[in-house]
Amino acid sequence: QSVLTQPPSASGTPGQRVTISCSGSSSNIGSNSVYWFQQLPGTAPKLLIYSSNQWPSGVPDRFSGSKSGTSASLAISGLRSEDEADYYCAAWDNSLSAWVFGGGTQLTVL
Amino acid sequence: QVQLVESGGDVVQPGRSLRLSCAASGFTFSDYAMHWVRQAPGKGLEWVAAISFDGNNKYYADSVKGRLTISRDNSKNTLYLQMNSLRDEDTAVYYCANGRVRGNGPEFDYWGQGTLVTVSS
Repeated sequence: QSVLTQPPSASGTPGQRVTISCSGSSSNIGSNSVYWFQQLPGTAPKLLIYSSNQWPSGVPDRFSGSKSGTSASLAISGLRSEDEADYYCAAWDNSLSAWVFGGGTQLTVL
Repeated sequence: QVQLVESGGDVVQPGRSLRLSCAASGFTFSDYAMHWVRQAPGKGLEWVAAISFDGNNKYYADSVKGRLTISRDNSKNTLYLQMNSLRDEDTAVYYCANGRVRGNGPEFDYWGQGTLVTVSS
């Protein structure tokens, strides 16, 4: 049972916009920045979004992040087949003094 | 370019010990906090531990407190994870990743390729 809650799966067709949610609490998302990661099969995770809505260099702006209260979302616009991957959210938890991850969302491009 | 290379993964029996290493290059290692994150086979990501840039502050997931110890040697640009009293549930790929640079900037923007630890009798 992950501290951050994500839907286990999401799907969309090429060109579509999809969103993935991440629900937490006042001690994590409600107080701290949210990170989003993409993990392609058999590879290490890749940082997509930090500070809830900032892009590391090299990440296309098709990926965007937002946060409201104790929830966050990752939006992917102009969906492409290469976006098919697992997506994870994460945040620091003040109560646990630990980083917490969501359980991950498997995105399928139909 | 930034490189993080983990090593030390192996097959070990429950209760035994193992030490993982993460060799860093391409950046000023001593300026960065560092993390260990693991992923059990077919499961999601789990943060394990973090250490400040100077090694003075360490943080652990409850699941590993008292058994796993994070440390670093800035003279060798290397991060370590000492794993004692290993359990079946410690079986995972272990990744190292960067933390903030002296309290600023993003975390987790560089990851190693991971090293597999299998705990099995």
